[in-house]
Amino acid sequence: GAVVSQHPSWVICKSGTSVKIECRSLDFQATTMFWYRQFPKQSLMLMATSNEGSKATYEQGVEKDKFLINHASLTLSTLTVTSAHPEDSSFYICSARDRLRQRANYGYTFGSGTRLTVV
Amino acid sequence: AQTVTQSQPEMSVQEAETVTLSCTYDTSENNYYLFWYKQPPSRQMILVIRQEAYKQQNATENRFSVNFQKAAKSFSLKISDSQLGDTAMYFCAFMTPRSSNDYKLSFGAGTTVTVRA
Repeated sequence: GAVVSQHPSWVICKSGTSVKIECRSLDFQATTMFWYRQFPKQSLMLMATSNEGSKATYEQGVEKDKFLINHASLTLSTLTVTSAHPEDSSFYICSARDRLRQRANYGYTFGSGTRLTVV
Repeated sequence: AQTVTQSQPEMSVQEAETVTLSCTYDTSENNYYLFWYKQPPSRQMILVIRQEAYKQQNATENRFSVNFQKAAKSFSLKISDSQLGDTAMYFCAFMTPRSSNDYKLSFGAGTTVTVRA
């Protein structure tokens, strides 16, 4: 089955530094990947849609200069939290859809998430 | 805009019993897809079941089944013979095309299900 690998699974960083999170589709190609943010016991909030070879599309209210997204290949998307602050601490999840299985009813495959703590 | 509502923040069920989670959605689209995802304590999102809006027959996956009422815009999930491993947060999700090849997935607030031994 489709597998999405997300790294790191958890990271602690100092306030003001940048953190990069990787999302890889291991056994399929993904033209589109999605980045979500989730607070404890809350739902997933879509932050941005990452398209291979083009600029990401950000949801309203998400700062594109703070959350840099790069989708350089069909199997890799990265989310960089720049100049992180404690309020950026959260659980970040990526998801992807198989390029060859474009029917919407297949849904999306999710990565295992990254817990970011900014101190 | 599409919205997904899960009105039950928490549910508790005895092992081997049945529990039903409610979900309603609001959309003006006719072409859409509905999903239930499970997020156990590991926080890995797992697809439980899916339903195409154009299909009248309710989807079933082993112990999981849905009651899809299109006119009422309702999509409930029934977990039969509950097992301890079913303990998780369950999210109802709605997918609709944003373009010919792009679909947006919207989630409900989630329902935490606890299966008691």
